[in-house]
Amino acid sequence: AQTVTQSQPEMSVQEAETVTLSCTYDTSESDYYLFWYKQPPSRQMILVIRQEAYKQQNATENRFSVNFQKAAKSFSLKISDSQLGDAAMYFCAYRAGWGAQKLVFGQGTRLTINP
Amino acid sequence: DAGVTQSPTHLIKTRGQQVTLRCSPISGHKSVSWYQQVLGQGPQFIFQYYEKEERGRGNFPDRFSARQFPNYSSELNVNALLLGDSALYLCASRRRGAPGTNEKLFFGSGTQLSVL
Repeated sequence: AQTVTQSQPEMSVQEAETVTLSCTYDTSESDYYLFWYKQPPSRQMILVIRQEAYKQQNATENRFSVNFQKAAKSFSLKISDSQLGDAAMYFCAYRAGWGAQKLVFGQGTRLTINP
Repeated sequence: DAGVTQSPTHLIKTRGQQVTLRCSPISGHKSVSWYQQVLGQGPQFIFQYYEKEERGRGNFPDRFSARQFPNYSSELNVNALLLGDSALYLCASRRRGAPGTNEKLFFGSGTQLSVL
């Protein structure tokens, strides 16, 4: 079974600085997708960034980028120029390319932004 | 366009009761999934429905059931509630949900269920 592990329950960063959230996963599949979701107090899960496993290039979305290391099964999220609105729970998630279209989530990392 | 809407937003039940949660997907989306998020944990997959057929089921007991209607809205039913069923129940929709595609998944804000 696929598993996703986030080893940092909490992280904090000063406003305008850079922070990296870690995620590792375990799968025997060769075709899959990886995601980072943000969950603010409103509880709605918001997609931050996604990566297709077959793409070697790391995904980037404005201030958000990933470091995808397929051999190491590592998928970290870097947030540059942190803003107060970035404070939230962040979840790493995995989805197999075929079969049941389910997301497997990690335990989450609570990110605090210090002004 | 409205996002994924869920009702009710909060619900309090007692052990042994039954509950029905409702979800309306984004207009044009035919696939609906349900997730359970226990406090302090990541969401866990319960069901996926596409075109009114169950396409995936997570590791949940038979007390959990769901269905999808012709207008693509969905209901999640939980029978014989246990204290451990207390959680945030999230609904998510995507346009097709077909394997081999990477369509974006849109989540609702969830229903907070408390079982006393």
